[in-house]
Amino acid sequence: TQLLEQSPQFLSIQEGENLTVYCNSSSVFSSLQWYRQEPGEGPVLLVTVVTGGEVKKLKRLTFQFGDARKDSSLHITAAQPGDTGLYLCAGGKGAQKLVFGQGTRLTINP
Amino acid sequence: DAGVIQSPRHEVTEMGQEVTLRCKPISGHNSLFWYRQTMMRGLELLIYFNNNVPIDDSGMPEDRFSAKMPNASFSTLKIQPSEPRDSAVYFCASRAGTGGNYGYTFGSGTRLTVV
Repeated sequence: TQLLEQSPQFLSIQEGENLTVYCNSSSVFSSLQWYRQEPGEGPVLLVTVVTGGEVKKLKRLTFQFGDARKDSSLHITAAQPGDTGLYLCAGGKGAQKLVFGQGTRLTINP
Repeated sequence: DAGVIQSPRHEVTEMGQEVTLRCKPISGHNSLFWYRQTMMRGLELLIYFNNNVPIDDSGMPEDRFSAKMPNASFSTLKIQPSEPRDSAVYFCASRAGTGGNYGYTFGSGTRLTVV
């Protein structure tokens, strides 16, 4: 079974702080995606990384794919209340279905 | 594009009743996925289709669950008979291609409560 473990499961910080959440696996993936889910809505794709060591930036969010393509991290700089949500990572292997992690529930307090 | 459309948004039903959830994927997307989400178990894949053909239904909990995709623009997930433990948010998602580089577009979900 391919498992993706996310840490921490819950994170509550103050507005303006920086944070990093992690997504780890013992399996190698051809791609890694990050989604954000807000209450009452479905997950929304933020980014896809496909190359080991790849770094992508989306405004204050920085995504990194591990060199061995087994892990990924999401770093948020100067967090804002609008960043609050459930962050899900998902690993892909070719044409197979994605494997989702359990998510990190992030709360940014004003 | 209107995105992935699910109906109903909310469903409350009594134990033993039949429940049908509906999904319209994004036009041109050839893969469709049904997920169930709970606090305890997170996002669980129930079944997925490629080009309207069921590919993997190993996540379907038991025979009470069935899914169909009669054409490229419509899919249903049916639970008969429903039980309280089926209470969850059910999501439909579609994808444009079959490679891992393609992201999923999720609908807004159907919140099912079985009393």
